[in-house]
Amino acid sequence: GESVGLHLPTLSVQEGDNSIINCAYSNSASDYFIWYKQESGKGPQFIIDIRSNMDKRQGQRVTVLLNKTVKHLSLQIAATQPGDSAVYFCAENQAGTALIFGKGTTLSVSS
Amino acid sequence: DTEVTQTPKHLVMGMTNKKSLKCEQHMGHRAMYWYKQKAKKPPELMFVYSYEKLSINESVPSRFSPECPNSSLLNLHLHALQPEDSALYLCASSQDRAAEAFFGQGTRLTVV
Repeated sequence: GESVGLHLPTLSVQEGDNSIINCAYSNSASDYFIWYKQESGKGPQFIIDIRSNMDKRQGQRVTVLLNKTVKHLSLQIAATQPGDSAVYFCAENQAGTALIFGKGTTLSVSS
Repeated sequence: DTEVTQTPKHLVMGMTNKKSLKCEQHMGHRAMYWYKQKAKKPPELMFVYSYEKLSINESVPSRFSPECPNSSLLNLHLHALQPEDSALYLCASSQDRAAEAFFGQGTRLTVV
């Protein structure tokens, strides 16, 4: 079936750089998207969400962009820190059913 | 309290054993979920409970049996598992099925 996917399995950045993690989705009926961070041995942790009636949402050091025309989602992390190192998943909610996760991107931050 | 608590954290069981995973939340959430996660893979949806009723079963084998005794608790009963069922089992809850889901730390299951 249709699912959410990420473009790159790994991303390596230097401390202080801005990071951009991308995700493509294929189901035009999806109306809610979430970015999760998962550290080793832990459950996914909510970072930021966005609904389909918006194209941008900002949090503390993070921004999510939604482009419904090309079905693309991105997570921008400003001034990336070593503590940001983790696996990042985008997830889509297909019309209020349940969250379906994309493949994940491993972010490595070196100091 | 924004916590989802899962017990046990680790579980080793034989293929003939019966065991249960437990999940608890006190956020008043009405939707609860079980996900399975293999190493280096995304979580895969197994079951969804909404208002204590099973609403989604993603074609999960019958050796996995979910139960929702009340609005705060979710169990996953395991019986006659296979080694390939070894994984991290994650529980999550949300206000409803269209809201953000909060995840527990998971139960690391090893089937021997």
